Amino acid sequence: NAGVTQTPKFQVLKTGQSMTLQCAQDMNHNSMYWYRQDPGMGLRLIYYSASEGTTDKGEVPNGYNVSRLNKREFSLRLESAAPSQTSVYFCASSEFRGAGELFFGEGSRLTVL
Amino acid sequence: QQQVKQSPQSLIVQKGGISIINCAYENTAFDYFPWYQQFPGKGPALLIAIRPDVSEKKEGRFTISFNKSAKQFSLHIMDSQPGDSATYFCAARYTGTASKLTFGTGTRLQVTL
Repeated sequence: NAGVTQTPKFQVLKTGQSMTLQCAQDMNHNSMYWYRQDPGMGLRLIYYSASEGTTDKGEVPNGYNVSRLNKREFSLRLESAAPSQTSVYFCASSEFRGAGELFFGEGSRLTVL
Repeated sequence: QQQVKQSPQSLIVQKGGISIINCAYENTAFDYFPWYQQFPGKGPALLIAIRPDVSEKKEGRFTISFNKSAKQFSLHIMDSQPGDSATYFCAARYTGTASKLTFGTGTRLQVTL
């Protein structure tokens, strides 16, 4: 059972380059999320999609865009990467209502030089 | 502004001891308080959670204590084991926002032999 799958696991970019982080879940969840994790900062919500067809900003959306491609897939795009976007990015999914448990992927480590 | 404050940042406990991690929040609109456990190179995973209408929840060696009037909650790990060595995050969810969680900054726990 794959759960939440993120690609790529590692990526190095130069400042100004663009890239897309991919996320797919096989649990038939309605809601999906993108978080970033930085030392001493915990996990901060970038964007989320409560259900297919909707997306909303989280705590730190600047410099990012998202696409909810279908119920399974939720991508995060960096249009012009900056060193401040060096981080570990986690995708998560959950039921829209209910216990509220988030299921996380294993993360994508991004370095922007 | 950190809406969920977590302490300590790191903790070293001997095997068999009790590990205690504390969190405090300000927003009374939070209605669900989970704890997540994260091992190196992995995504966070739900450990235990509590709602504000109960003061304590226990699952095996893990207990959440909740003080609604003080707006504080804590995780107690009894008989701590080396396998418990991980980073622990407290979190809180706004009422009616699916599972959009606000996380604390994390506590790195090391259990020594």
